[in-house]
Amino acid sequence: RKEVEQDPGPFNVPEGATVAFNCTYSNSASQSFFWYRQDCRKEPKLLMSVYSSGNEDGRFTAQLNRASQYISLLIRDSKLSDSATYLCVVNLNNNDMRFGAGTRLTVKP
Amino acid sequence: DVKVTQSSRYLVKRTGEKVFLECVQDMDHENMFWYRQDPGLGLRLIYFSYDVKMKEKGDIPEGYSVSREKKERFSLILESASTNQTSMYLCASSLPVGEQYFGPGTRLTVT
Repeated sequence: RKEVEQDPGPFNVPEGATVAFNCTYSNSASQSFFWYRQDCRKEPKLLMSVYSSGNEDGRFTAQLNRASQYISLLIRDSKLSDSATYLCVVNLNNNDMRFGAGTRLTVKP
Repeated sequence: DVKVTQSSRYLVKRTGEKVFLECVQDMDHENMFWYRQDPGLGLRLIYFSYDVKMKEKGDIPEGYSVSREKKERFSLILESASTNQTSMYLCASSLPVGEQYFGPGTRLTVT
């Protein structure tokens, strides 16, 4: 079983749609959680951290369920510029991060 | 602004050659990492380093070695390149806790 599993997609949605990505992780001792964004032929960049209480940054909402070992990312009112691959990342310890394979999103006009 | 640079964006090498990939960060980060990224597999950790002259194996260290002689520089070495090492190689740096900052990547092709 992979340490971090994501639905690879692709998700193809129209502008303005709401889309949700899910991620599960296997190590219950994982300490912190992140969503990274990777544009085509570019390096990954931090989108947002994920906190136990859930957190929101504009159109983006991240949730963590430790009991189910599950992380989610919700994007509201999708923009064309949201098209990218979204990587779920789990920090085991000392910044030893494990990356999911990514979920690819394409937002169409 | 954090900057992580990698020596080459694209590299083509022959099977059996020794390959050096260089990574430099300018933010005085303690931690540095080397990953490879392959379609469907995501980023896989090759080696990481918490300090100068320290290194730790990641998930897939076989066929690779690393060197960290200075805090800002972390080198990945392919002792004898093989075709299954064709991949995108990404270097990252971070403070002891927190966000990892990535370089632009080196796309290596071994023929």
